[in-house]
Amino acid sequence: DARVTQTPRHKVTEMGQEVTMRCQPILGHNTVFWYRQTMMQGLELLAYFRNRAPLDDSGMPKDRFSAEMPDATLATLKIQPSEPRDSAVYFCASGLRLTDTQYFGPGTRLTVL
Amino acid sequence: AQSVTQPDIHITVSEGASLELRCNYSYGATPYLFWYVQSPGQGLQLLLKYFSGDTLVQGIKGFEAEFKRSQSSFNLRKPSVHWSDAAEYFCAVGVGFGNEKLTFGTGTRLTIIP
Repeated sequence: DARVTQTPRHKVTEMGQEVTMRCQPILGHNTVFWYRQTMMQGLELLAYFRNRAPLDDSGMPKDRFSAEMPDATLATLKIQPSEPRDSAVYFCASGLRLTDTQYFGPGTRLTVL
Repeated sequence: AQSVTQPDIHITVSEGASLELRCNYSYGATPYLFWYVQSPGQGLQLLLKYFSGDTLVQGIKGFEAEFKRSQSSFNLRKPSVHWSDAAEYFCAVGVGFGNEKLTFGTGTRLTIIP
């Protein structure tokens, strides 16, 4: 049963620290999405990639967030420096085609103190 | 800009009763519409999707949804709910070049009582 995996599942850090979240998409999927979920804002699309190239990162704060796909099996989302308002659950999702079902990972729960 | 409205924040139904979750969208073109379910501590799972064709869409776990263009709605239904259906349900509209960018509603939390 192929699944999207995310690490770490939980992360507690202090304000100003760098945070890196990792995602392994389902093998063969070439579209990868990063979402953020908070009580106040709900689910927001931060960025997404197709064939490892960024297609849209307009939902991401550019000054502190960065997203990359070093290879087809790894997507990363980095926050530097982190702030308390970044506390949220971050989801990665992958799909086979642009209009295909998006398969979500279990999320990384980030708490910035 | 596109938007999705789920007017019910929380719904409680008895096990075995029927269910309808409401979803209204605002989008200038023909929408791609989705319903996802999220169990506590889990990621989202697709229940069903509508791209074109038959406006009544069947999904997993006995769910169905009907697209009504005149009402800009895509309501989710189930004839008889089970305790395991307790979760949060999200409606989403797909936009962008390939309709791959999902805009989600705020979700409806479903509680099932025995």
